Amino acid sequence: EVQLVESGGGLVQPGGSLRLSCAASGFIFSTYEMNWVRQAPGKGLEWVSYSSTGGTTLYYADSVKGRFSISRDNAKNSLYLQMNSLRADDTAVYYCARRSGWPYYFDYWGQGILVTVSS
Amino acid sequence: DIQLTQSPSFLSASVGDRVTITCRASQGISSYLAWYQQKPGKAPKLLIYAASTLQSGVPSRFSGSGSGTEFTLTISSLQPEDFATYFCQQLNSYPYTFGQGTKLEIK
Repeated sequence: EVQLVESGGGLVQPGGSLRLSCAASGFIFSTYEMNWVRQAPGKGLEWVSYSSTGGTTLYYADSVKGRFSISRDNAKNSLYLQMNSLRADDTAVYYCARRSGWPYYFDYWGQGILVTVSS
Repeated sequence: DIQLTQSPSFLSASVGDRVTITCRASQGISSYLAWYQQKPGKAPKLLIYAASTLQSGVPSRFSGSGSGTEFTLTISSLQPEDFATYFCQQLNSYPYTFGQGTKLEIK
């Protein structure tokens, strides 16, 4: 059974840092491209970041570029999101999501982890 | 970036109704469109991919159509468990944008 389990969320002050983890199981993690998606309270979905299978190609939404960093450890079946210089508008539930091969879709999502940025 | 506009944002309907949600892209995305259903406190669930392909395990009352810039999600006969929020997503190019969502409520 495919599972994605996020951890590392919580309350952080503006300007602070947090590192999210996503533990993958039930599939060959190293063969799938992975993404982070977030959802602010009561709002829609916002794609945040992408990692290629080997972690060499990375993309970011403009809203997080220069502040967030995505990485992965295929030996540990894990995806990470390092979040620095956090702002109040980064407050959201963060999901990791697996992208299928062509024709592309996000077929499995984690349960989500809440990040709250507040003083 | 490719913008997706869903309509309507809110939809009130009854069990047994046929409903259609539209998603328009700001530029052509071929058939690189997916639809998701989300219930409160839960992760999104994939319903449709490649604009019209039903994900395994999803009831056949759900269907998708369209290509280029205009797409639709249709639920042929609403069931109580279908009342949720629906999002479209384009996967033509990064950033993979989502529509703003359509909240389907019980009339």
